[in-house]
Amino acid sequence: DVKVTQSSRYLVKRTGEKVFLECVQDMDHENMFWYRQDPGLGLRLIYFSYDVKMKEKGDIPEGYSVSREKKERFSLILESASTNQTSMYLCASSTGGETTEAFFGQGTRLTVV
Amino acid sequence: DQQVKQNSPSLSVQEGRISILNCDYTNSMFDYFLWYKKYPAEGPTFLISISSIKDKNEDGRFTVFLNKSAKHLSLHIVPSQPGDSAVYFCAAWYQGGKLIFGQGTELSVKP
Repeated sequence: DVKVTQSSRYLVKRTGEKVFLECVQDMDHENMFWYRQDPGLGLRLIYFSYDVKMKEKGDIPEGYSVSREKKERFSLILESASTNQTSMYLCASSTGGETTEAFFGQGTRLTVV
Repeated sequence: DQQVKQNSPSLSVQEGRISILNCDYTNSMFDYFLWYKKYPAEGPTFLISISSIKDKNEDGRFTVFLNKSAKHLSLHIVPSQPGDSAVYFCAAWYQGGKLIFGQGTELSVKP
């Protein structure tokens, strides 16, 4: 079974802090994604990566950066957390190609106070 | 601009009846669509998919229909069960590796 693991289920951070959200997958998938889920807005793509050290902006990259130094790990970084970044963050991975499903982690509920 | 749209935020259905969840898209270049199911405090799980070369795909109680000319797809659940109560997301692959989602529809199946 594919497993996508996010390092924390719940996080509370202060405004202005630098925040790291970590995601690891164990199926040697090429593609990895970060989304945030907000009521009424669905899942919005922040960044994705199709290979080590490669990244592409999604639809809402402002205020975020990512790092992919190893194939199995994709990190989302909030450079200076703000209250409007309070959200559910979801990591996903998939094999290359556009006829496959993506597998999701359990999500990280981040609260910025 | 939302390229995948689910215009119904919620749907309530009686147990045993059919649930129909709808999804519209704007980009005719989309050629592979997926439905995901999400329970609170969990990640989405894949349900069923359909390629643009088909107009129907069936898996047990779940059937997805695609109408390319209308840029519309729908998910049918028959018969609906209380355990189907969740948020359902429609998604499409786009531009070499982007997987984009709709806003979701919250399905409530009442016993």
